[in-house]
This record gives sequence, structure tokens and C-alpha cells, in this order.
Amino acid sequence: GAGVSQSPRYKVAKRGQDVALRCDPISGHVSLFWYQQALGQGPEFLTYFQNEAQLDKSGLPSDRFFAERPEGSVSTLKIQRTQQEDSAVYLCASSFWAGERYEQYFGPGTRLTVT
Amino acid sequence: AQSVSQHNHHVILSEAASLELGCNYSYGGTVNLFWYVQYPGQHLQLLLKYFSGDPLVKGIKGFEAEFIKSKFSFNLRKPSVQWSDTAEYFCAVSGSYQKVTFGTGTKLQVIP
Repeated sequence: GAGVSQSPRYKVAKRGQDVALRCDPISGHVSLFWYQQALGQGPEFLTYFQNEAQLDKSGLPSDRFFAERPEGSVSTLKIQRTQQEDSAVYLCASSFWAGERYEQYFGPGTRLTVT
Repeated sequence: AQSVSQHNHHVILSEAASLELGCNYSYGGTVNLFWYVQYPGQHLQLLLKYFSGDPLVKGIKGFEAEFIKSKFSFNLRKPSVQWSDTAEYFCAVSGSYQKVTFGTGTKLQVIP
């Protein structure tokens, strides 16, 4: 596709429910990132994949958060037993080597509201 | 660890006024610097970036930013803002590792 796509765009979950958020990166992009953007804040790093390998998950706020990218393309961010503090926009970005530096492109995000 | 500080949380300007948004960063190595914009209801878009070379970087829609290494700053400027510039602006930094650290954002409101 032309850009990074994410689905669903909006998700309402009751507290305690599990959710799965999907990211389709730009075709051929090796690197994929997940960020969390709480209301009134800048995006904060959650985790990073290079192909199927999760190289950094230091930003995941708790063990309820889990991300995977099994075939090195589509990625899923899963949140188990959602809590109200998980309400945020979840952004996915993919990047490629532009010959000098990496160029990172962001998707539209999934707005998660936990009630 | 890298960090970004944006000085203004909310800026209100009249159309045709000049804009300068402050950004200071902290990072120990070679930095890549970015300004992103998020228009109401839309996703993050790259406004401009600095990797190396000329410290004065020109971006889309008439925006520019100047990298001043001695001040660890990367301020965003526009000589004359328009109502359509109403948005939230994020300064961001990354190092050799691609992880991007964002500032908390500045909401710009332009009054016609």
C-alpha cells in the first residue's frame, strides 16, 4: 500500500477485555515500531522489530502488553486485561534505509478507549 | 538516554504573525532531529528533518528549523502563519538506533 495502515482505527473495550491492534507496514520496510500516545502527550516508544525479531521491548508498560511480527511484515500489539490507563492512541511506524539514514513513516494510529 | 524538551505547550497567534517553537534535546551521540505535525483528526506527518550538513533545514509548507549544536536546540520557525497551520507540533530526536523520542508537543492555534 501507499503508507502504513492500522486497524481498527477506533476500539472501545471494557476493562478486563483483551484487545489486538494490527499494523501493516509499508511493503519492504524492515523495521517496525510501536508507540503509545496518551492524551495531551507526545508518542512514547513501546517496542521495536527488525524483520521478525523483537530487538527492544523496553517501553512496554507491563507484562499485559505483548507484540509480535511472526513473518516480518504485519505486526500485532496485544493488550491483555485492559485497564483504563491503557486508553491512548497506539501508533505504528515502519522505516527503511534511505542511503544515509533511516526514514520512519507513521500510521494513522488506533485510538483505544477502555471503559 | 535521549530526551526532548518543548518549551511552549500552547501558543496562540494571529494570522500573518511569525512563529518560533522552542525545542531542546539531550543526547550523547550523533543526533537526527525531526519536527512532526499532527493536524486535528489526522495522523503524524513529518514536517522536516535534520541528519547532517546545513544546519538550517527547510521543510514543507514554509516551515524551517535551525540546528544549533552548541545550544542543543532545534527550533521551528515560520515567518507568517496561516489559519491552516493550527495543529500540534512535536519535536523529536533519534540516534544511530532508530527509536524516536518525542517531546510533549506544542498546540498552535492560529486565529483568523
